[in-house]
Amino acid sequence: EVQLVESGGGLVQPGGSLRLSCTASGFIFSSYSMNWVRQAPGKGLEWVSYIDSSSTSIYYADSVKGRFTISRDNAKNSLYLQMNSLRAEDTAVYYCTAFASGTYVYWGQGTLVTVSS
Amino acid sequence: DIVMTQTPLSSPVTLGQPASISCRSSQSLVHSDGNTYLSWLQQRPGQPPRLLIYKISNRFSGVPDRFSGSGAGTDFTLKISKVEAEDVGVYYCMQATHFHTFGQGTKLEIK
Repeated sequence: EVQLVESGGGLVQPGGSLRLSCTASGFIFSSYSMNWVRQAPGKGLEWVSYIDSSSTSIYYADSVKGRFTISRDNAKNSLYLQMNSLRAEDTAVYYCTAFASGTYVYWGQGTLVTVSS
Repeated sequence: DIVMTQTPLSSPVTLGQPASISCRSSQSLVHSDGNTYLSWLQQRPGQPPRLLIYKISNRFSGVPDRFSGSGAGTDFTLKISKVEAEDVGVYYCMQATHFHTFGQGTKLEIK
């Protein structure tokens, strides 16, 4: 069974930092590109960041560029998102997604990040 | 940036009746490799999104055949042949031809 399990979310003050993690199982993690996608409360989906299978190609949405860093450890079947200089508008559920055939084939359950004083 | 526009934003449907959702992109989604990376996702209440359709018309594993996708270029459609109660939720189109963008979502509800 395919599983993506996110962790690391929580309440943080504006300007603070958080590191999200995503642990994969049930598929060959090292063969898949991965993404983070977020969803603000009651809102739609927003792509955040992409990393290919070998960490060679990395992209960010303009809204997080310079503040967020995506990385992965294929030996640990894990994906990460380091989030710095957090703002209120970063409040959202963050989903880890596996990417193949030009789409998000697998999704985690998400982890909630709340940025508030 | 490519803008994805879905219509309608809300769709009340009678059980057993068909439903249709449209998605229009601000520019062609045909990739240089010849593929069109247009997908449809379903998000049931309180659940993460899940993949229904990829590359316009390919149903993902386990997706019932009452779901179908069609279209080309900039205009795409998701159809549900006979709506069931479990189909309630929000449907998103998504393009991955030019980075990744999502439509605003269409809420499917039962009349």
